[in-house]
Amino acid sequence: AQTVTQSQPEMSVQEAETVTLSCTYDTSENNYYLFWYKQPPSRQMILVIRQEAYKQQNATENRFSVNFQKAAKSFSLKISDSQLGDTAMYFCAFMNAGNNRKLIWGLGTSLAVNP
Amino acid sequence: DSGVTQTPKHLITATGQRVTLRCSPRSGDLSVYWYQQSLDQGLQFLIQYYNGEERAKGNILERFSAQQFPDLHSELNLSSLELGDSALYFCASSVDTGQETQYFGPGTRLLVL
Repeated sequence: AQTVTQSQPEMSVQEAETVTLSCTYDTSENNYYLFWYKQPPSRQMILVIRQEAYKQQNATENRFSVNFQKAAKSFSLKISDSQLGDTAMYFCAFMNAGNNRKLIWGLGTSLAVNP
Repeated sequence: DSGVTQTPKHLITATGQRVTLRCSPRSGDLSVYWYQQSLDQGLQFLIQYYNGEERAKGNILERFSAQQFPDLHSELNLSSLELGDSALYFCASSVDTGQETQYFGPGTRLLVL
C-alpha cells in the first residue's frame, strides 16, 4: 500500500525568506501524481502544485516549486519570498494513475510565516 | 473559489442520529470524491463516484453511504452517528479524463454531541 510521510509537523520562516517542506512516499507503481495542498485557517483545501511522475522537470507555480526525486521517492516543496498569507497547513498527497484516483495524504506540516 | 459547493457548512447533531451532506461538483466534472478529516486519523478517502456509478471505496464505514445523482451532485449519508464521527467532510471533484487534479469544496464541519 502507498504511504506518504511528512516528517516535519511544524515549521516557521521569516517573511521574505525561503522554506522547504519535506515529503517522502512509498509506492511500487511507476506512473502516479503528486500534489501539495494548502489548508489555511479557513480550512479550505487549496491546490498549490502538482507533479506527474513521468515528467522529469520539476513543477513550478510562481513562488512555489518542487524538488521531485523519483528514485529517492522524495517530493519537497520550496516556498520562496514567504508571505504572511502562506501561513497554513501543507499536505503532501499521492495519487495512482490507475482507475482508483483516491488521494493518499501525509499528516501535514504546519507552517508559520513570521513578520 | 474552487467551484465545488458543499452544504451545510456546519452541522451539530446528537449520537444515534442521521445526517446528509450535499456536494455539487464543478461544472463539467464527472467525478466526485468524499474525504474525512479528523484530528486522530488525518485525511482519509471515503468513496468516489464517476458519472453516477461508484468507482472506488476507501475507509468508509458501513453506517455511511453515498450516491451521485443524474445531475452529478452527490450526497453522503451518515447514520447511527457516534462521537468519533465528528470531523470535517470534504467533497472534491475532477474531470477525470487525464486531468487528475481534484478541486475541493469548503467542507462540512460535523459535530456529534
